[in-house]
Parts: sequence; C-alpha cells; structure tokens
Amino acid sequence: DVKVTQSSRYLVKRTGEKVFLECVQDMDHENMFWYRQDPGLGLRLIYFSYDVKMKEKGDIPEGYSVSREKKERFSLILESASTNQTSMYLCASSLRDKATYEQYFGPGTRLTVT
Amino acid sequence: ELKVEQNPLFLSMQEGKNYTIYCNYSTTSDRLYWYRQDPGKSLESLFVLLSNGAVKQEGRLMASLDTKARLSTLHITAAVHDLSATYFCAGSVLPKLVFGQGTRLTINP
Repeated sequence: DVKVTQSSRYLVKRTGEKVFLECVQDMDHENMFWYRQDPGLGLRLIYFSYDVKMKEKGDIPEGYSVSREKKERFSLILESASTNQTSMYLCASSLRDKATYEQYFGPGTRLTVT
Repeated sequence: ELKVEQNPLFLSMQEGKNYTIYCNYSTTSDRLYWYRQDPGKSLESLFVLLSNGAVKQEGRLMASLDTKARLSTLHITAAVHDLSATYFCAGSVLPKLVFGQGTRLTINP
C-alpha cells in the first residue's frame, strides 16, 4: 500500500518567515509533486521532481522553491511567507514507468500565514 | 496548454437519484483521472481512463471517456449519502496532472 506522509497537518506562520513543508513516500516512486489547493481553483501544481536533485516548475512556482536530496523525500520551501500563501498544500508521488502514472496523495498541510 | 473544466461545481441531490458530472478538457490529454476528496481529507484515486471509449465502474460510480469530444463523465447511480464528497477530474501531460475545479456533491436523505 502506497503511503505518502507530510510533516504537519496544520501550520501557522508569520509573514516573512521561512517555511519548510516535508513530504515522504515509501514506495520508491520516481516522481513527486507539490500542489496547492484553494476553493474554486482545484489543485494547482507548484513544482515537481522526476529524480533526485531534479526539479521542474509547475504552473505557480513564484515564491516557492523545492529540494529533493533523497528519492523518498521532497521538500517545499517558502522563502518568505506571505498571506497569499495561506492554503492547503498537498504532496503526491507516482511511478515513472507504470502505464497509468497514477498519483498518490498525502494527507495535506493546511498552512496559515498571519 | 491543457485546461480542464468541470460542471456543475456544486450539486445537491436526493438519495436514490441519478446524476452526471461532466469534465471537459481543452487539448489532447494522455490520460483522464477521477479523484474523490472527503472534507478535511486528501485525494483518493477512483478511476484512470486510458483510451477513447474507456468505461470503468465501481459500485454506484461509472466513469467514461470520449477523447474526440474531449469529455469525460462520472455517472452516479441511485445515490447514497456516503457518496457525498468533492470529485475532481484531471487531465494529464505526463507526468503532470491538470485538475478541474472540483464538484462538491451533497446527497440528502
């Protein structure tokens, strides 16, 4: 059974703080993804990674960076948190070579920036 | 650029009724996915549709794909309260998924 875990379910940070969101998957998936979810907008892709130390920008990368030093771990970094980054953040992973490329999601981190 | 639109965005229905959620996408998509999200929870995969004419069924839910019309549907048969959730469709430009806005489905007794 695929398991994707995220370091925090709820997080409250102040404007200007540096924020780290961690994601770990235990199924040896090559691809990992970070999304943010906002009401009425669905999920929007921030960054993804298809291998260790590799990263690609998604649709809304501004204000974010990522790190993938190990295959199982993908971190999302908010360099200087702002109130418009208050959102639900979801991590996902998928196998590269499986026909479906199905993504498996973590439980999410609800981040509030005050 | 792939865009995905769902309708309706909100749906309130009674138990026992049938209904359909529509998912339109703008350009070629490698796959079409349906996910379910319960309040406060993460996304759970329901169906992956790989080719034109694909139909998949699980219980009271049935998903289909028409690649020529760029349309996928999620049909709910004889709805029960347990199916209340938000449903997302997503197209793909592999390995990325592009999600629709979601359809919040409420099923009333």
